[in-house]
Amino acid sequence: DTGVSQNPRHKITKRGQNVTFRCDPISEHNRLYWYRQTLGQGPEFLTYFQNEAQLEKSRLLSDRFSAERPKGSFSTLEIQRTEQGDSAMYLCASRPAGGESNYGYTFGSGTRLTVV
Amino acid sequence: GENVEQHPSTLSVQEGDSAVIKCTYSDSASNYFPWYKQELGKRPQLIIDIRSNVGEKKDQRIAVTLNKTAKHFSLHITETQPEDSAVYFCAASPGYKLSFGAGTTVTVRA
Repeated sequence: DTGVSQNPRHKITKRGQNVTFRCDPISEHNRLYWYRQTLGQGPEFLTYFQNEAQLEKSRLLSDRFSAERPKGSFSTLEIQRTEQGDSAMYLCASRPAGGESNYGYTFGSGTRLTVV
Repeated sequence: GENVEQHPSTLSVQEGDSAVIKCTYSDSASNYFPWYKQELGKRPQLIIDIRSNVGEKKDQRIAVTLNKTAKHFSLHITETQPEDSAVYFCAASPGYKLSFGAGTTVTVRA
């Protein structure tokens, strides 16, 4: 397990379709984050899990977005009824338990979503 | 919430010269300030970070300074090399989530 793995790397979908992305964190990391990055901008926080509990959701995460981490390991991010404005890079990050809560993020390579 | 501003948006330097990127933050509760480097199509990678109880940190050619009173922090890259060309993001965090700046595209001219 060499890092945070995200699948798929790229996804092209038609407007109105549902998409699901997967993130596999580093195995001993109990904290998992989703961020969204649009072109020319820094990543924006979407949601945060500690083990299987979703502790915070950003206002950016509309009702069409849902994230899960059912067994406290991998996580999925689903977007329903996709819109062109959803086109972005979706980044997952994880960090281990213990220590300062904001230290030691490791990002995955992201899933690039294009809604046509 | 936290708001981070980053300047400049683009920076072109001659190989061997220094590069400086500056960020300001709004939330006085922020206590962790990482810097990430992102190459085209790749993941953001942590290059250096600093906590609010430290004013300066250095790692080889990279250094970060923090002024808590003024709420700003800076990244300094000395003796720049072509492989330093990338987008650099600053971030600030009062807890578990990071608020990022908009990024600085650094180009090192050979």
